[in-house]
Amino acid sequence: DIVLTQSPALAVSLGQRATISCRASESVRSSMHWYQQKSGQQPKLLIYGASNLASGVPARFSGSGSGTDFTFTIDPVEADDIATYYCQQSRNDPLTFGSGTKLEIK
Amino acid sequence: EVQLVESGGGLVQPGRSLKLSCAASGFTFSNYYMAWVRQAPKKGLEWVATISTSGSRTYYPDSVKGRFTISRDNAKSSLYLQMNSLKSEDTATYYCASHSSSSYNWFAYWGQGTLVTVSS
Repeated sequence: DIVLTQSPALAVSLGQRATISCRASESVRSSMHWYQQKSGQQPKLLIYGASNLASGVPARFSGSGSGTDFTFTIDPVEADDIATYYCQQSRNDPLTFGSGTKLEIK
Repeated sequence: EVQLVESGGGLVQPGRSLKLSCAASGFTFSNYYMAWVRQAPKKGLEWVATISTSGSRTYYPDSVKGRFTISRDNAKSSLYLQMNSLKSEDTATYYCASHSSSSYNWFAYWGQGTLVTVSS
């Protein structure tokens, strides 16, 4: 199985940039996707195919990377962005998720 | 507006069975691969099953293969998950999710989830 590694938490000041990384145990090419999950809610797709913004998602959110190293960025961070962010790969079966990065406001 | 509404969760004893349902609306259900994803309490996300548009192909991780069965009824725009031989580690919120169009990749839309608790 492909293991996706994310840092557990990140604290950022409002108006600043938040950068979340996801490292895959083997290449997933560009088959990496990002989700936001707010407390008590279902996940929401933000980025698909490593860098494509999902419908209706603000341009403050972006993604980059290919192969094994991926980055998800929020710039600027707003108070409503408090959530856990997950990466997910679809290159190989089984589909796997990272363990999530909890975004906190300083 | 896309809507996915799960039902059928609840408390069940270990070794017993449970069937979840998901009612879809707001999109052409028959054109989309569909999936179930679960989340144990205070834990991360785990993919559970995917089914092709026609239902002829199904996909599972090893953790549920042979115990869970995903199915769909395109005439009713409904998705199902039959869970047999349930274990305590199956305790989770189960989300119904759509993949992107006719492919097995990211999860474009999610329901609000239904909680399954496996306990004696």
